[in-house]
Amino acid sequence: NAGVTQTPKFQVLKTGQSMTLQCAQDMNHNSMYWYRQDPGMGLRLIYYSASEGTTDKGEVPNGYNVSRLNKREFSLRLESAAPSQTSVYFCASSEDRPGGEKLFFGSGTQLSVL
Amino acid sequence: RKEVEQDPGPFNVPEGATVAFNCTYSNSASQSFFWYRQDCRKEPKLLMSVYSSGNEDGRFTAQLNRASQYISLLIRDSKLSDSATYLCVVIITGGGNKLTFGTGTQLKVEL
Repeated sequence: NAGVTQTPKFQVLKTGQSMTLQCAQDMNHNSMYWYRQDPGMGLRLIYYSASEGTTDKGEVPNGYNVSRLNKREFSLRLESAAPSQTSVYFCASSEDRPGGEKLFFGSGTQLSVL
Repeated sequence: RKEVEQDPGPFNVPEGATVAFNCTYSNSASQSFFWYRQDCRKEPKLLMSVYSSGNEDGRFTAQLNRASQYISLLIRDSKLSDSATYLCVVIITGGGNKLTFGTGTQLKVEL
């Protein structure tokens, strides 16, 4: 039982390049999330998916797209990376029931856009 | 005003001390509350839920004050290993969970 697996751990991009961050969970959770964490800003929600086939914007969705490929996988894509997207990205999942809001996080991706 | 506010610290305390953090929230519809711990360059991990009646887990005590809209975390007999950033999370349930994180309070426990 690996929990939430997130890849890659580190990535350096040039402005304008694209990339996809991968996330998979093996806990049969309905809800999955992508957060970014910046110094002094805390964790901010980019997108979330309440169930397979559905996605919704969070607080800071601009510049990102997501795909809930199946119940296990939720990917985040940067189509044209910008220096403002330099951040640490966390994927998370949770059960979708009252009292099940505990988030399980992946180990994070440190992204630098030059 | 931020939805969830925390004093960023750092709180520097000697080993064995008792330390407390508060977290205030602005939305009175908030229904669930949690404390997460985040070690440097690692992912956040759930420390404890916060119940209306207050709850304790070993050296850690969490309390909720709905009237004043804040939650607190008390750590007794601090250990070096308690050094971390403590994040509060506030959730509004119904039609999907809306989770809001505080920016975290940094704790440094020193010899």
